[in-house]
Amino acid sequence: QKEVEQDPGPLSVPEGAIVSLNCTYSNSAFQYFMWYRQYSRKGPELLMYTYSSGNKEDGRFTAQVDKSSKYISLFIRDSQPSDSATYLCATEKGGSTLGRLYFGRGTQLTVWP
Amino acid sequence: DAGVTQSPTHLIKTRGQHVTLRCSPISGHKSVSWYQQVLGQGPQFIFQYYEKEERGRGNFPDRFSARQFPNYSSELNVNALLLGDSALYLCASSSSGTEQFFGPGTRLTVL
Repeated sequence: QKEVEQDPGPLSVPEGAIVSLNCTYSNSAFQYFMWYRQYSRKGPELLMYTYSSGNKEDGRFTAQVDKSSKYISLFIRDSQPSDSATYLCATEKGGSTLGRLYFGRGTQLTVWP
Repeated sequence: DAGVTQSPTHLIKTRGQHVTLRCSPISGHKSVSWYQQVLGQGPQFIFQYYEKEERGRGNFPDRFSARQFPNYSSELNVNALLLGDSALYLCASSSSGTEQFFGPGTRLTVL
């Protein structure tokens, strides 16, 4: 079993739709949770960074962490064609392994006009 | 401010050869991590360096090695290349090991 599971999609939605992206993780030692956006053949871009359970909002993006169910989500409101990319969730244990990220395989999102 | 830079952008090698990839972190960042991303998969951790010391190593063979220089830039070396080493190699920097910012990557093709 992988440390972080993520449905690869692909996910295709019309412009303006609300997008929900999800990951599950297996190790309760994970303390930090991230979402990255990766355009084709580019490096990942950090979108959201959260610690522990709860919600964090940044513009059209909301990250949600539920540590009790080991479930992390990213919501994109009013999606735009420019949001079309692969979205990677990542987690980190902290402590002595701070800086070692565990990634899901990514969900490919297409937003069509 | 300049982000993380990596060189070269693309590289083509043959099996058995050696390769060196380079990374310059964001100014002021002392931690550099290396990841391998195979097509269709998420990045996989290879190494982390902080203040020129190795802080972590992923599940990669000894053919993979790295180092960090006094100016915090870093090199990733891979010896005896295999076809399976073909991937996008990503470098990430952070100020304290928490939020990590990635470079554009080096795309390595092994023939």
